[in-house]
Amino acid sequence: KNEVEQSPQNLTAQEGEFITINCSYSVGISALHWLQQHPGGGIVSLFMLSSGKKKHGRLIATINIQEKHSSLHITASHPRDSAVYICAVSPQSNTGKLIFGQGTTLQVKP
Amino acid sequence: EAQVTQNPRYLITVTGKKLTVTCSQNMNHEYMSWYRQDPGLGLRQIYYSMNVEVTDKGDVPEGYKVSRKEKRNFPLILESPSPNQTSLYFCASSSPGLLSYNEQFFGPGTRLTVL
Repeated sequence: KNEVEQSPQNLTAQEGEFITINCSYSVGISALHWLQQHPGGGIVSLFMLSSGKKKHGRLIATINIQEKHSSLHITASHPRDSAVYICAVSPQSNTGKLIFGQGTTLQVKP
Repeated sequence: EAQVTQNPRYLITVTGKKLTVTCSQNMNHEYMSWYRQDPGLGLRQIYYSMNVEVTDKGDVPEGYKVSRKEKRNFPLILESPSPNQTSLYFCASSSPGLLSYNEQFFGPGTRLTVL
C-alpha cells in the first residue's frame, strides 16, 4: 500500500463545477504539499500546509492531521484548471524528502 | 526571477554513452533533489542533497550519480545509461523553514530517451 493515496485517479468535470480531490497518508508528517502539473509542463507548488486551511483564488486546501487526510477544492472550475494534481508529504524526519501520491488527472470540459 | 533551470530539456542517447543533466538554482537554497517521473509510478526521488558536499540516496538511486560542489548546482550523472532510465527527470530545490522544509521549486523537466 502506498504511503500517500489520492482519489480519484481521474476526474472529468464540466466548466463551473465544484471539484474535490482527496489525499490520505499513513506516515507522520511535518507538512503536506499540493502540486500542479500541466500537460507537457513543469510542476508548480500550489500549497504547503501543516494545519487548517489555505485559500488562493479559486483553490482551497484543507488538512486534518488527526485523520491524516487533505482535500484540494477548486471552485467554479475552468478548462485551464485541467492538469495533474499531486499530493506530497514531508515526513516528520524533516530531511527535505517528499513522498508523492500517484496524482489525479483532472479534465474540465467547456 | 527565482528559478530552477535544467539542461538539456530533451535528450535522445544510446545505451552506455555517459551523460550529465545539469541543474542550477538562483535562490540560495540548501536542499536540492532529483526525481524521475514514469507513467503509473508517479514521482520518485533519485538523490538529494541537504547542502554542499552532502548528498544521499533517494528511493531509486541505481545507475545514477550526483555531486554538490557548489550550492547552486546539482548535476545528475548517468555513467552508462540503459533503456530503463528513459524517463522525465525533475530537479527541485528548497530551503529549511521553521517546522518543515519550505515549498519545493521544480525545474522544467528533462525528457530523456535511451535507445
